[in-house]
Amino acid sequence: QVQLQESGPGLVKPSETLSLTCTVSGDSVTISDYYWTWIRQPPGKGLEWIGYISYSGRTNYNPSLKSRVTISLDTSKNQFSLMLSSVTAADTAVYYCARSSGYIFPFDYWGQGTLVTVSS
Amino acid sequence: DIQMTQSPSSLSASVGDRVTITCRASQGISNYLAWYQQKPGKVPKLLIYAASTLQSGVPSRFSGSGSGTDFTLTISSLQPEDVATYYCQKYNSVPWTFGQGTKVAIK
Repeated sequence: QVQLQESGPGLVKPSETLSLTCTVSGDSVTISDYYWTWIRQPPGKGLEWIGYISYSGRTNYNPSLKSRVTISLDTSKNQFSLMLSSVTAADTAVYYCARSSGYIFPFDYWGQGTLVTVSS
Repeated sequence: DIQMTQSPSSLSASVGDRVTITCRASQGISNYLAWYQQKPGKVPKLLIYAASTLQSGVPSRFSGSGSGTDFTLTISSLQPEDVATYYCQKYNSVPWTFGQGTKVAIK
């Protein structure tokens, strides 16, 4: 059974960089055709796709966040990570990691989500 | 970018009612459309993909239809455990975009 678990600071100061890690168990992040994704949800609002990294390390980001986002893969730890720079209060959200079983496939496995608050 | 618009934004129905939620894409997306259910305080759960294919384990009272730009999610007989917000999502190309959500409540 595939499991994803987010980890990282729950509080980040404005203008700093948000860093989160998703640890994958029950599967390998290098399995062909898998896409590993970050999604966020501000309190009381809808879902926003942040970006993905593929099993081969190829990335793609939401144009609205592209200038501030980096997603990376750590195959030795079976993890992938999110960095979001220059955060503001608008970046306060529950951040989810998720898996797609292909480029044109929806998100079939999700982490539990982690709330990140941007505040001084 | 392709925009996804859901309607209504919220609805209230009685147990046993048939409920329909619509999702419209601003451009054609073939059948690359998924529906998710998010219960209060919980993680979104994949219900339907490829517009009409039920994910394993999802009750058969849920169904999806549509292709191109217009899609529907139907709950044939609303149950108390179906109280949730439902999101559509297109995945034919990036950016992978969600609709704004439809909140379903029991009357």
